[in-house]
Amino acid sequence: DTGVSQNPRHKITKRGQNVTFRCDPISEHNRLYWYRQTLGQGPEFLTYFQNEAQLEKSRLLSDRFSAERPKGSFSTLEIQRTEQGDSAMYLCASSFSSGQETQYFGPGTRLLVL
Amino acid sequence: GQSLEQPSEVTAVEGAIVQINCTYQTSGFYGLSWYQQHDGGAPTFLSYNALDGLEETGRFSSFLSRSDSYGYLLLQELQMKDSASYFCAIDTGRRALTFGSGTRLQVQP
Repeated sequence: DTGVSQNPRHKITKRGQNVTFRCDPISEHNRLYWYRQTLGQGPEFLTYFQNEAQLEKSRLLSDRFSAERPKGSFSTLEIQRTEQGDSAMYLCASSFSSGQETQYFGPGTRLLVL
Repeated sequence: GQSLEQPSEVTAVEGAIVQINCTYQTSGFYGLSWYQQHDGGAPTFLSYNALDGLEETGRFSSFLSRSDSYGYLLLQELQMKDSASYFCAIDTGRRALTFGSGTRLQVQP
C-alpha cells in the first residue's frame, strides 16, 4: 500500500509523560503536514514541512510540541509533558508540490491522556 | 484569519440528492476542497475547486462561487455508505488547509 501510514494508531499515556508519533508519507510527496482533530471538529493545522524544512508552525503548537522530518521522508511529532487537553486524533497528511493543494491523510494516531 | 460555515447535520434517504453548503471568509484564497471522513477513519479527498463553476466526479459534484465566497458539495443517488462527515477546507496558498467543523450526513433507508 502506498498511502500515508501512521504509528501507533492508538496511544494511552499518563499526564506528564512524553509521547512520540511517526508518519510515513506517500513516497514521492515532498510536503508533509500534521493536524490535530478533536471530536466533532475539523482537522486543525499544526505544522508543515517541505522536504526536511519545517516552514510553518501554528500558534496551536506550544513549546511542548516538536516535529522533525530529518531526511525529508518520515516525520515524528513529539509531545512533552502531556496534558489532558492534548487528547485528540493526530493526523498526518502529505502532498506533492503542484498548483492544487490536494492533501492525502493517514489513518491518524488517537491519543488519550489520563 | 479564516472561517468556514457549514451545516452541522443533514439527513436524507437512499437514492436522494443532497447538497452541503459551505460559506467562507478569508483574506487569501486559492481554492476550496471537500473531504469525506467516516467515523474512526481518515479524511479522504473528494474534490478541489479553484475556479467558479461545477466540477463533477461520478455521483459527487462540487461548486464554487468566488465572488460569493460560497461553495457546495452535491451528492446524487445517495447510498448508505455515503453516511459520513463532510468537510470543506480552504487553501489560502499558505499550504495549510483550514477546515470547517464538518457536516454529518445520515443516509436513511
